[in-house]
Amino acid sequence: KAGVTQTPRYLIKTRGQQVTLSCSPISGHRSVSWYQQTPGQGLQFLFEYFSETQRNKGNFPGRFSGRQFSNSRSEMNVSTLELGDSALYLCASSPGLAGGLYFGPGTRLLVL
Amino acid sequence: AQSVTQPDIHITVSEGASLELRCNYSYGATPYLFWYVQSPGQGLQLLLKYFSGDTLVQGIKGFEAEFKRSQSSFNLRKPSVHWSDAAEYFCAVDEKSSGDKLTFGTGTRLAVRP
Repeated sequence: KAGVTQTPRYLIKTRGQQVTLSCSPISGHRSVSWYQQTPGQGLQFLFEYFSETQRNKGNFPGRFSGRQFSNSRSEMNVSTLELGDSALYLCASSPGLAGGLYFGPGTRLLVL
Repeated sequence: AQSVTQPDIHITVSEGASLELRCNYSYGATPYLFWYVQSPGQGLQLLLKYFSGDTLVQGIKGFEAEFKRSQSSFNLRKPSVHWSDAAEYFCAVDEKSSGDKLTFGTGTRLAVRP
C-alpha cells in the first residue's frame, strides 16, 4: 500500500497570509490526525478526523482548522499566519482500534 | 494530565554497541505505548507498539521494547547498533480515549560513532 502523502512538501508564506495543507491517508484508513513539530515545542497534536467529523482537538487557536472529505483525504488550514507557525506539519492516518499512527513526510512551512 | 518523559536528550554509542533509550510515562492506567523514529527531514516511522500481554515487544529494524508497569517505563533496546540507526527517537502514549491521539516525549537524538 502507498503510504501517507502530503502536499506540498515545502511552503514559504508571509505573515498574515493563509495556507492550506493536504494529506492523503493510507488506503482504508479512516482516521487522519495532524501534528505540529517545532524545535521548541516538540510534537504537538492539532486535531483528528474520523469519517469527516472532528473527533479530537488540541490546544491551538482557532486560526488552525481542518476538515476531512468523504474519501478520507484531509486538509488543514492556517489563517493569518504568524512567525511562530513556522514548523513541520505532519499528517498521520490510522487503521483504528489503536493500531498506531502512520505518518507522512510532512510539510515544512516557513513564515517570513 | 498525562506526560511522557525521555530523560536523555542526546546519546552517542559506538557502532556494534548495545542501545537502551529510556521512556517513562505518567498516567493513571496503562496507556497504549509506541516508539517512533525520525530521520532528518523525514516523517515519523512506527518502530513498535504495546497494547497488552507480553511485556517484551519486538519491532522493526531489530528493535525491542520492554514494558514495566511497576516503573511506568517502556524502554527501547537494540543489541547491536548500526550507523543507519542514527536518528531521533520518540516515545508516545495513547491514553485510550476515543480516537487516536498521541502524546509524545521530547525525543532522544542518537548519534553513532564509527
